[in-house]
Amino acid sequence: GAVVSQHPSRVICKSGTSVKIECRSLDFQATTMFWYRQFPKQSLMLMATSNEGSKATYEQGVEKDKFLINHASLTLSTLTVTSAHPEDSSFYICSAVDLRAGGPTGELFFGEGSRLTVL
Amino acid sequence: KQEVTQIPAALSVPEGENLVLNCSFTDSAIYNLQWFRQDPGKGLTSLLLIQSSQREQTSGRLNASLDKSSGRSTLYIAASQPGDSATYLCAGGTSYGKLTFGQGTILTVHP
Repeated sequence: GAVVSQHPSRVICKSGTSVKIECRSLDFQATTMFWYRQFPKQSLMLMATSNEGSKATYEQGVEKDKFLINHASLTLSTLTVTSAHPEDSSFYICSAVDLRAGGPTGELFFGEGSRLTVL
Repeated sequence: KQEVTQIPAALSVPEGENLVLNCSFTDSAIYNLQWFRQDPGKGLTSLLLIQSSQREQTSGRLNASLDKSSGRSTLYIAASQPGDSATYLCAGGTSYGKLTFGQGTILTVHP
């Protein structure tokens, strides 16, 4: 099946620094990538929808200046957590889909997730 | 706005039991419904996908059903094993790939 890769899998940073997380579709072209966030013992919450070549669409309550998303190619989307603070510590997961043929005909594939810890 | 609820929140069973995990959703205009497994600290593993036109899907010991009219899906696990212990998430999908997740059911299968 399709593979989606995230990097890094774990990152620890100091408060105030910025962290970039990459999401790559390895064997297909992704017109759309989704970024989710998961707090401990909670479910996944959609943060934003990233479309190749256009601005990301953020869910209500998600600060777009805080979570910068770039989808510059059909195989790569990046999430940058700017001026990270301890409350940004979370598990971030991306998913990718090719919508050029219409709606998703198969399951969505997810990256392995990136655990961010802000000290 | 789609809301997805999973019951029970946690389930502990002895090895060998058959079990059912429940998922309900509020918007019947669902495009598909997907079941995932998540091990602690890990990403998601897709288990089964049911398109809106389908009623069930099977993979090995797993069977998932979908009833759009009642807004429900169930995941049936036959002959449970300790290796099945994980969090199981269901998610309702839209035509453009957006998923709304339930809170998950934490399953523990003890030997």
